Parts: sequence; structure tokens; C-alpha cells
Amino acid sequence: AQSVTQLGSHVSVSEGALVLLRCNYSSSVPPYLFWYVQYPNQGLQLLLKYTSAATLVKGINGFEAEFKKSETSFHLTKPSAHMSDAAEYFCAVSDHLGETSGSRLTFGEGTQLTVNP
Amino acid sequence: DAGVIQSPRHEVTEMGQEVTLRCKPISGHNSLFWYRQTMMRGLELLIYFNNNVPIDDSGMPEDRFSAKMPNASFSTLKIQPSEPRDSAVYFCASSLGWVDTEAFFGQGTRLTVV
Repeated sequence: AQSVTQLGSHVSVSEGALVLLRCNYSSSVPPYLFWYVQYPNQGLQLLLKYTSAATLVKGINGFEAEFKKSETSFHLTKPSAHMSDAAEYFCAVSDHLGETSGSRLTFGEGTQLTVNP
Repeated sequence: DAGVIQSPRHEVTEMGQEVTLRCKPISGHNSLFWYRQTMMRGLELLIYFNNNVPIDDSGMPEDRFSAKMPNASFSTLKIQPSEPRDSAVYFCASSLGWVDTEAFFGQGTRLTVV
């Protein structure tokens, strides 16, 4: 089974600083990877996804992630943090279970991002 | 499309009562997922359906939990009887079901069992 591991359950940065949230995956086949964001009292929403078209993926709100096969990583970055980026971030990998079973996402444990003024 | 719609948004119930959570997936989506989120356990997949058929219910914690999807536009998650430890936020999500497609989440139902 495929899985993802998020390193660091809490990350704190200053406003304007680089944001780096780490995600490593384990997969026996080329993975399809996703980053989601969850703001307080809301559901998860997609930030970006990697589907093998390009290793550097750009998402919403200035976030991007780079797929590195040699490192089995898919870290999320943003050059300059904004107060509104404070949220919980989840990395996920897609498992295809067959023609009749469809696919499901397996999520990491999440990283809470705090942005300090 | 209005997205994935869950109801109610908040539910407070007494221990032992039956609770039913409802979900309307995005039209045209083939897969539907029920998740539970708590501080202790994080985000857990309870059950998912593909084309209205339950595929994997291994995440359902106990027999007190059951889920149905009678048609492509509606699903329920029922807890009977409810217990305080069931207090959590329950999310429904839907997707097209392909390996490269994302899941779209509802706003969640915050359940409190007292």
C-alpha cells in the first residue's frame, strides 16, 4: 500500500519568510501526489497535485511543490509567508484499486502552519 | 455545482441516541468517501463507495457505525447508539474515481455527543 509521511506536525514561520512543509512518499508504482489545505472550521481544499506531467507543480495562493523521485519527496514551498497561510496542510497519495473499485487518497498526518507577525 | 453538501453542519446529541449524517456528492462523481477528524487520531477514512457500492469499510470503528449510498446523489452515515468518544468532525468527499483526480470535500459535520 502507498503511504505518505509528513515531517513535523507543527511549523512556525515569520511573515515574509520561506514556507517549507515536508512530505515523503512510499510507493511501488509512479505516485500521484496531492497537497490539501484546511482552514479552521472548513473542509480540505486542493492546493496542487502531481500527475507526472511536470516535476514542479504550481498551485493556488503562491504555493508550489517539487516531485523528486530520487528523494521520494514532494515538499510544499512558498517563498513568502502571509498571515492568511496559517492553516493545516495535508499531503496525500492516490491509490488505484482497480476498474470497479476506483481510487482513494491516503493522507499524511498533517502539518499545522503558524505564521507570526 | 454547489460542491459536496453535508448536513447538518452541527449536531449535539445525548449518549445512546441515533445520529444520521447526510451527504450529497458532486454530480457526476463516481466515488464517495466518509472521513472522521479528531485531534487525537487526525483524519481517518471510515468507508468509501464506488458507483454506489461499498468498497472498503475497514475504517468503520464499530458495528455501531453504518453507511449507505442508495443512489448516486445521496449517502448517509449512521451511528447507533452514539457515545461521547464519537465526538468529531465528519467529512464527506467525492471524486471522479480516477487515480489522478482529486477528492472534493464538504464543510463537515461537527458532532458532539454528551
